[in-house]
Amino acid sequence: AQKITQTQPGMFVQEKEAVTLDCTYDTSDPSYGLFWYKQPSSGEMIFLIYQGSYDQQNATEGRYSLNFQKARKSANLVISASQLGDSAMYFCAMLHMEYGNKLVFGAGTILRVKS
Amino acid sequence: EPEVTQTPSHQVTQMGQEVILRCVPISNHLYFYWYRQILGQKVEFLVSFYNNEISEKSEIFDDQFSVERPDGSNFTLKIRSTKLEDSAMYFCASSEGVRLNFGAGTRLSVL
Repeated sequence: AQKITQTQPGMFVQEKEAVTLDCTYDTSDPSYGLFWYKQPSSGEMIFLIYQGSYDQQNATEGRYSLNFQKARKSANLVISASQLGDSAMYFCAMLHMEYGNKLVFGAGTILRVKS
Repeated sequence: EPEVTQTPSHQVTQMGQEVILRCVPISNHLYFYWYRQILGQKVEFLVSFYNNEISEKSEIFDDQFSVERPDGSNFTLKIRSTKLEDSAMYFCASSEGVRLNFGAGTRLSVL
């Protein structure tokens, strides 16, 4: 069975500093994808970044990068130069490619950026 | 950038009533999904839909739930007889590949 674990219920970071949000996963399937979504207080789910299990390079999207360590089954999100608008809930999710593209979500991490 | 749209943004209903949540996926997408998020909890998969049929559903998606693509643009989730525990945010999503695009959600409140 697939499982996503986010061990940090809440994190604080100073504005302009970098922060790492942890995510570990468990799957026996070789083909999967890992996502991070941001959920601000307004409730919508905003796609941030995607890493495929066969991708050789770590994914980057602007200030977001994904530290993918396949052997350790971790997919941590790094946000550089934090901004006040980054304050939100962040979900790690895993896509199981062979079963209807079903996303399994972690419990989330609330990030608060301090000025 | 094209987006998934959901209506209404907030639906209030009495227990036992039927509700229909509506979604307009991104036009060239082929896969459609419903997820829900009970307040303060994680996002849970309900159902995926491809080629006019359900491709997978979770144990949450029991006989009270149904999905339909009544025309070329809409994708609906119907809850036949709502229960208090159906109160949640319901997200529609669509994809053409691996990346799911989510709508802004419909907050369902069952009284």
